[in-house]
Amino acid sequence: ILNVEQSPQSLHVQEGDSTNFTCSFPSSNFYALHWYRWETAKSPEALFVMTLNGDEKKKGRISATLNTKEGYSYLYIKGSQPEDSATYLCAFPGNYGQNFVFGPGTRLSVLP
Amino acid sequence: SAVISQKPSRDICQRGTSLTIQCQVDSQVTMMFWYRQQPGQSLTLIATANQGSEATYESGFVIDKFPISRPNLTFSTLTVSNMSPEDSSIYLCSGGLAGWAETQYFGPGTRLLVL
Repeated sequence: ILNVEQSPQSLHVQEGDSTNFTCSFPSSNFYALHWYRWETAKSPEALFVMTLNGDEKKKGRISATLNTKEGYSYLYIKGSQPEDSATYLCAFPGNYGQNFVFGPGTRLSVLP
Repeated sequence: SAVISQKPSRDICQRGTSLTIQCQVDSQVTMMFWYRQQPGQSLTLIATANQGSEATYESGFVIDKFPISRPNLTFSTLTVSNMSPEDSSIYLCSGGLAGWAETQYFGPGTRLLVL
């Protein structure tokens, strides 16, 4: 069973602060890592797909890095805004390569 | 990309009843899945919905409790049968193309409360 951990579990920051959180995973048999943002009552939104060690991806104020050798990925948010408040999930292909195994998520609250 | 809709968006049900959740994708996808998130828990895969054949269930989930249909490439249903309060969860369907790095697209979820 693939064990995926995310930290912290929750985070409260002030508007304008920059923040980051971590997704940890077993470093063997890595294929891909997916980051999602899930706002309450909405569909989880795909942020990044990361496949190569050393990958860095960026989308606006959000960026992510990947270290497959040590088994972690960081998600960074620069200048947090209230609309960034959501749960951030990382996910990995499961046993059949298509279904996902999700981490427990990091719940971010950005206070105005 | 794909847009996925689900209905109902939420429901409150009595113990012992059943609820069927519908999932519609706006484009053809190879794979469709059903997930559940119980309060305070991770999103967990229930089953893979297979077109025209029986779904593939994950450990801990059985067809009698969660019958699934997928009559074509863009539509699937999940039934939560003989409900108990432990079935109170968010149920999500997803769809996408096969492949490790392919994005899965998710519906907005069905929030179920069983009394």
